[in-house]
Amino acid sequence: QKEVEQDPGPLSVPEGAIVSLNCTYSNSAFQYFMWYRQYSRKGPELLMYTYSSGNKEDGRFTAQVDKSSKYISLFIRDSQPSDSATYLCAMSAYNFNKFYFGSGTKLNVKP
Amino acid sequence: DAGVTQSPTHLIKTRGQQVTLRCSPISGHKSVSWYQQVLGQGPQFIFQYYEKEERGRGNFPDRFSARQFPNYSSELNVNALLLGDSALYLCASSPVAGVTGELFFGEGSRLTVL
Repeated sequence: QKEVEQDPGPLSVPEGAIVSLNCTYSNSAFQYFMWYRQYSRKGPELLMYTYSSGNKEDGRFTAQVDKSSKYISLFIRDSQPSDSATYLCAMSAYNFNKFYFGSGTKLNVKP
Repeated sequence: DAGVTQSPTHLIKTRGQQVTLRCSPISGHKSVSWYQQVLGQGPQFIFQYYEKEERGRGNFPDRFSARQFPNYSSELNVNALLLGDSALYLCASSPVAGVTGELFFGEGSRLTVL
């Protein structure tokens, strides 16, 4: 079993839709959770960073962490064609020495 | 401000050769990590260095090695290249290891092994 599971998609939505991206994990020691956006053939770009359970909002993006269910989500409101990319979740235990990434979900926002 | 810079951006090698990839972290960042991203997969952890010391190592063979220099830049070396080493090699920096979890990635070095 992989440490982090992420639906690879692709996920195709119309412009303006609300997008929900999700990851599940198996290691209860994970406490730090991040979402990255990666455009084709580019390095990942940090979008959101959260600690432990709860919600965090930044503009059109909201990250949710449910540690009891070992489930994290990223919501994108009013999605734009420029949001079309692969979204990676990542997580780490307390020591930050190693981050575990999901395989990424490819999102396509249609104009 | 300059982000994480990596060189070279693309390179082609043949099986059995050796490769050195270079990384300069964001100014002020003391921790550098290396990740391998195979096409269609998420990045996989290779190494973390902080203050020139190895702080973590992923599940990669001894053909992979790295080091960090006094100016916090880093090199990743891969010996005896295999076809399966073809991937995007990502360097990430963070301000202080073990304090915050934010990783900032460079654009990567795309290695093709023929």
